[in-house]
Amino acid sequence: NAGVMQNPRHLVRRRGQEARLRCSPMKGHSHVYWYRQLPEEGLKFMVYLQKENIIDESGMPKERFSAEFPKEGPSILRIQQVVRGDSAAYFCASSLAPVSSYNEQFFGPGTRLTVL
Amino acid sequence: SQKIEQNSEALNIQEGKTATLTCNYTNYSPAYLQWYRQDPGRGPVFLLLIRENEKEKRKERLKVTFDTTLKQSLFHITASQPADSATYLCGYSGAGSYQLTFGKGTKLSVIP
Repeated sequence: NAGVMQNPRHLVRRRGQEARLRCSPMKGHSHVYWYRQLPEEGLKFMVYLQKENIIDESGMPKERFSAEFPKEGPSILRIQQVVRGDSAAYFCASSLAPVSSYNEQFFGPGTRLTVL
Repeated sequence: SQKIEQNSEALNIQEGKTATLTCNYTNYSPAYLQWYRQDPGRGPVFLLLIRENEKEKRKERLKVTFDTTLKQSLFHITASQPADSATYLCGYSGAGSYQLTFGKGTKLSVIP
């Protein structure tokens, strides 16, 4: 049973370009979470999605960032007009049921975004 | 607002000893705490979950305690090995919350 998959593993963008990060949850998981990890900082929650729905986006920056989890295909985290401060590791996690039901999250290997 | 702190940024310990990592939270008791291991360049790996009504949880050489009076969780690795060297993250979630809030982690180094 494959774990959470993320691609690309490394992404380099120039300022002003768009970054698209993909996440395929574990088989059977329909709950997806995105986190950002800046150097020397902890993991910060960004957004929680179920299929076709954004449930909690309280950690998402108000501008330039968006996320989706379509009925078919992976979840996408999209960052428009990237700036140097967006450089970070972005992790996706999935769970069998919502975290609020005492469910552990399984993390992917992350996408390391570098903005030049 | 709720805060979670892992007291030590780094902890060095001799092989064979018990490593003890601390996670403190402020304000209200979280519904549960989760502990993860993260190796450099990798994603966090789930280790243990402990609920607010549980005092202790064990898994092989790992033990987690939850003290709601002290607002603290302790994470123990007994008979530590160099392979246990990694960063350990503590994360909490409140009742009905959909997100995990993590501490900054403690980097454990087990010296042969």
